[in-house]
Amino acid sequence: QKEVEQNSGPLSVPEGAIASLNCTYSDRGSQSFFWYRQYSGKSPELIMSIYSNGDKEDGRFTAQLNKASQYVSLLIRDSQPSDSATYLCAVMRAGNNRKLIWGLGTSLAVNP
Amino acid sequence: DAMVIQNPRYQVTQFGKPVTLSCSQTLNHNVMYWYQQKSSQAPKLLFHYYDKDFNNEADTPDNFQSRRPNTSFCFLDIRSPGLGDAAMYLCATSNQDRRNEKLFFGSGTQLSVL
Repeated sequence: QKEVEQNSGPLSVPEGAIASLNCTYSDRGSQSFFWYRQYSGKSPELIMSIYSNGDKEDGRFTAQLNKASQYVSLLIRDSQPSDSATYLCAVMRAGNNRKLIWGLGTSLAVNP
Repeated sequence: DAMVIQNPRYQVTQFGKPVTLSCSQTLNHNVMYWYQQKSSQAPKLLFHYYDKDFNNEADTPDNFQSRRPNTSFCFLDIRSPGLGDAAMYLCATSNQDRRNEKLFFGSGTQLSVL
């Protein structure tokens, strides 16, 4: 089992719809969770961080965390073609071997 | 604007010819990282500096070395590049505290090995 798992996609949604991206993780002690957006050929860019159970909203983006289910998600409302990118989930491993663990990313395509 | 700058954006080298990639930051962050990312893969941490302390990942080949002469600059040296080292190399920084690990990435250097 991978430490951080994401559906590779591609996830295709029409413009204006809600895109839902999911991530599961295996380390129950993890406390910090991040979503990065990466356009093709570019470097990752942090778009959301979340540390507590529940929802965190920032503009069109909402991160959701459920530590009991070891699940973190990213919702993108009113999806735009410019949101088309790969979304990487990253989880901070707890304990002495503290390290950011990355998922493989989910490719999102927003169709005009 | 405060930022992380990587040079060059594209680098072409020959098999076995040493190459150095550079990274500078104006964020005054104490931690600097080097990641390798291949197509459709997650970023792979090669090593990081916490201030002057060097931390190598166990699976980073000896072919990869790094230097951090001061807070602002960090270099990645590939002593004898192989075809398998062709990848995007990402420099990132963070202002380390025990809870957060927000990374700020440079634009990356795309390395080709001929």
